[in-house]
Amino acid sequence: DGGITQSPKYLFRKEGQNVTLSCEQNLNHDAMYWYRQDPGQGLRLIYYSQIVNDFQKGDIAEGYSVSREKKESFPLTVTSAQKNPTAFYLCASSTSGLSLVYYEQYFGPGTRLTVT
Amino acid sequence: DAKTTQPNSMESNEEEPVHLPCNHSTISGTDYIHWYRQLPSQGPEYVIHGLTSNVNNRMASLAIAEDRKSSTLILHRATLRDAAVYYCILRVIGTSYGKLTFGQGTILTVHP
Repeated sequence: DGGITQSPKYLFRKEGQNVTLSCEQNLNHDAMYWYRQDPGQGLRLIYYSQIVNDFQKGDIAEGYSVSREKKESFPLTVTSAQKNPTAFYLCASSTSGLSLVYYEQYFGPGTRLTVT
Repeated sequence: DAKTTQPNSMESNEEEPVHLPCNHSTISGTDYIHWYRQLPSQGPEYVIHGLTSNVNNRMASLAIAEDRKSSTLILHRATLRDAAVYYCILRVIGTSYGKLTFGQGTILTVHP
């Protein structure tokens, strides 16, 4: 089955530690995205990538870093510089954002990160 | 970006139709109207989208006002599995990336 995999589902870390969240897709999509969701709120864009070896900051990139070495993978690192890292993190993918044709975003199941 | 306004919550009974409204009075001519929904503890999923004409798919219907300042997502027969947060989102096709700006959405409760 095609889809997006995020692991782990739940992650616990101590304050001051960096942590990397995994996102893998087998949909052959060029574009991938990371969103953050806080309780009772909508999603906010952290980083996005339209193509391998390229990525751009979203609305709340501070304290986060990403890489896009393979088309299928877009890992997110939450660094110790992120002031409030506890949140629900969602990865998504879509066909290239450069097209004029509509494309929907497919979301993974999310990783719930708790930092204490 | 043009903004959308949705009620915080709505309730419905199972098997009945549900009309979820969305106001977008500052919509521009190139903004598409999208709906996504998010089931509890899951990622959002695409529901439907449209530009000017009403749209139907297997999940729902989208009714767009003639002046495009509002739209309504219609679930024809609500089931318990339709209980979710529904997001109405405006986005311009052909922008350099597919950013989706999520508001707080409408929490739909479906009663058996």
